[in-house]
Amino acid sequence: EAGVAQSPRYKIIEKRQSVAFWCNPISGHATLYWYQQILGQGPKLLIQFQNNGVVDDSQLPKDRFSAERLKGVDSTLKIQPAKLEDSAVYLCASSPRAGGLYNEQFFGPGTRLTVL
Amino acid sequence: AQSVSQHNHHVILSEAASLELGCNYSYGGTVNLFWYVQYPGQHLQLLLKYFSGDPLVKGIKGFEAEFIKSKFSFNLRKPSVQWSDTAEYFCAVHGSSNTGKLIFGQGTTLQVKP
Repeated sequence: EAGVAQSPRYKIIEKRQSVAFWCNPISGHATLYWYQQILGQGPKLLIQFQNNGVVDDSQLPKDRFSAERLKGVDSTLKIQPAKLEDSAVYLCASSPRAGGLYNEQFFGPGTRLTVL
Repeated sequence: AQSVSQHNHHVILSEAASLELGCNYSYGGTVNLFWYVQYPGQHLQLLLKYFSGDPLVKGIKGFEAEFIKSKFSFNLRKPSVQWSDTAEYFCAVHGSSNTGKLIFGQGTTLQVKP
């Protein structure tokens, strides 16, 4: 079974530029998550999709971050414009069921973003 | 609000030493608990999980964890570490909600000296 795919793996941009990340979850998984992991901290949820609808985006900085999962499969996360504090690893995860308990999440390799 | 606290930020052990990493969470309801591991250059992988039943759970590579509800703890243990266990370890909790959001601790970096 193929795992969660993410691209690019690394990205370096200057502040105020835009950047987009892509995620393809495990086939058939209903729920997709985007996490932000700042160096020295644990991952923090940015947004969660169930199929192609948003379930939780309470911690997404909506003035600069946006995400979509148009056909309920792959997803893109965009930052526009980027700030220095956005430097982090952006992790995508998926889970087979539609949220709730007893629902294991599988993580992709992440995209390491450096904002100069 | 839910939170997870990992007691140790950086642990250094010699091979064959015993390991215990502390994890405490704050949530009063039904919880699912996880330990994830991130080896150097690799992605987060599930080490073990507790959903219900026997509070002593066994995971991959000889790791185990004990859920103590009265102490809100889920400590990770391994009787004898190997150099290949060098990695970052994250405790995470998933509370009773419809969203499935995981709350992670800040992580513990384990360095095993050969």
